[in-house]
Amino acid sequence: NAGVTQTPKFQVLKTGQSMTLQCAQDMNHNSMYWYRQDPGMGLRLIYYSASEGTTDKGEVPNGYNVSRLNKREFSLRLESAAPSQTSVYFCASSAEWHQPQHFGDGTRLSIL
Amino acid sequence: DAKTTQPPSMDCAEGRAANLPCNHSTISGNEYVYWYRQIHSQGPQYIIHGLKNNETNEMASLIITEDRKSSTLILPHATLRDTAVYYCIVSIKAAGNKLTFGGGTRVLVKP
Repeated sequence: NAGVTQTPKFQVLKTGQSMTLQCAQDMNHNSMYWYRQDPGMGLRLIYYSASEGTTDKGEVPNGYNVSRLNKREFSLRLESAAPSQTSVYFCASSAEWHQPQHFGDGTRLSIL
Repeated sequence: DAKTTQPPSMDCAEGRAANLPCNHSTISGNEYVYWYRQIHSQGPQYIIHGLKNNETNEMASLIITEDRKSSTLILPHATLRDTAVYYCIVSIKAAGNKLTFGGGTRVLVKP
């Protein structure tokens, strides 16, 4: 069982470049989430999608856009990367709103 | 969302029970208590959750006080692989189940 798959695992960007982080889940979950984790900190929610066709802002949405492509896939886009966006990005999914979230292994993103 | 307070760190002897406290004095009636852990820099792993009653699964037990203002996660027989950061989270009852991760408790299981 793959669970939640994130690609790429590592990426280095230059300031101003754009990039899309991909996330796919094979558990037929309705809800999907994007978090970032800065060194020594807890995770912070960027965007979430409660169900296919809907997306909403989380705690730190500025500088990001998301697309819920279908039930399986939820992508996160950085239009113009900034050094402050250097972080580890985690995607998660859950069956329904109050069910536990399952996390991917993360994408480690460095912006120079 | 209700805020949670956890000790920043604690040590535990291998084979002994680990009791991790969490304060959530402003929790509302429809908020669940969730516990996750994060080993090294891996993605967080779900452990257990509850609303009012105590819960037990193959990983841990969750004890919630009657007034729901605090809870304790119990790892019955800690192993070295349980060394991790443990997060206590209360979640609002709304679409999206947004989790707010605080600083967590860094648990070190020692031989």
